[in-house]
Amino acid sequence: AQSVSQHNHHVILSEAASLELGCNYSYGGTVNLFWYVQYPGQHLQLLLKYFSGDPLVKGIKGFEAEFIKSKFSFNLRKPSVQWSDTAEYFCAGGAAGNKLTFGGGTRVLVKP
Amino acid sequence: SQTIHQWPATLVQPVGSPLSLECTVEGTSNPNLYWYRQAAGRGLQLLFYSVGIGQISSEVPQNLSASRPQDRQFILSSKKLLLSDSGFYLCAWSNRSPDTQYFGPGTRLTVL
Repeated sequence: AQSVSQHNHHVILSEAASLELGCNYSYGGTVNLFWYVQYPGQHLQLLLKYFSGDPLVKGIKGFEAEFIKSKFSFNLRKPSVQWSDTAEYFCAGGAAGNKLTFGGGTRVLVKP
Repeated sequence: SQTIHQWPATLVQPVGSPLSLECTVEGTSNPNLYWYRQAAGRGLQLLFYSVGIGQISSEVPQNLSASRPQDRQFILSSKKLLLSDSGFYLCAWSNRSPDTQYFGPGTRLTVL
């Protein structure tokens, strides 16, 4: 069965610090991978996605993620966070023809 | 452009009462539709998904059911609510699976 796991449940960091959130998936073959973000009081929205091609994907608000097939990973990064990046972040993935599976989420708190 | 609506936004119901949550999508045809429950620290749990009118797949055994009476309408129901049904329910749509899913604002259900 396909699964997606996020390593950290909570992350606290200061403004201007770098952020990296881990995400691993369990299945091989063609896979579509996503990062979603939920800001306080707002809808879940897409940050970025990877279907194929360049494994380094750039998303909105300065976020990027790198698909490393050999490690079954799709980690999310941002070089310098802002207070407004405080949110919950979800990794999701699905093999071709299958449903998306979401990770457990990581709550990120950025201190001003 | 496509929009997704959910109502009600919040709901407080007594144990044993029925439930009906509604989700409608505008601006697209024949979408895949999904119901999720979001619990703190547990990510998004897929409850039901539908690839067409009258076609419902259940992901987990539970006290809830879903129906899709029209192409862009997805309903989550229960005949008798349990305390454990409390939670935040999200509806989403996508053009195919696995592809980007677009989420509604959610319904906060409290069962007392």
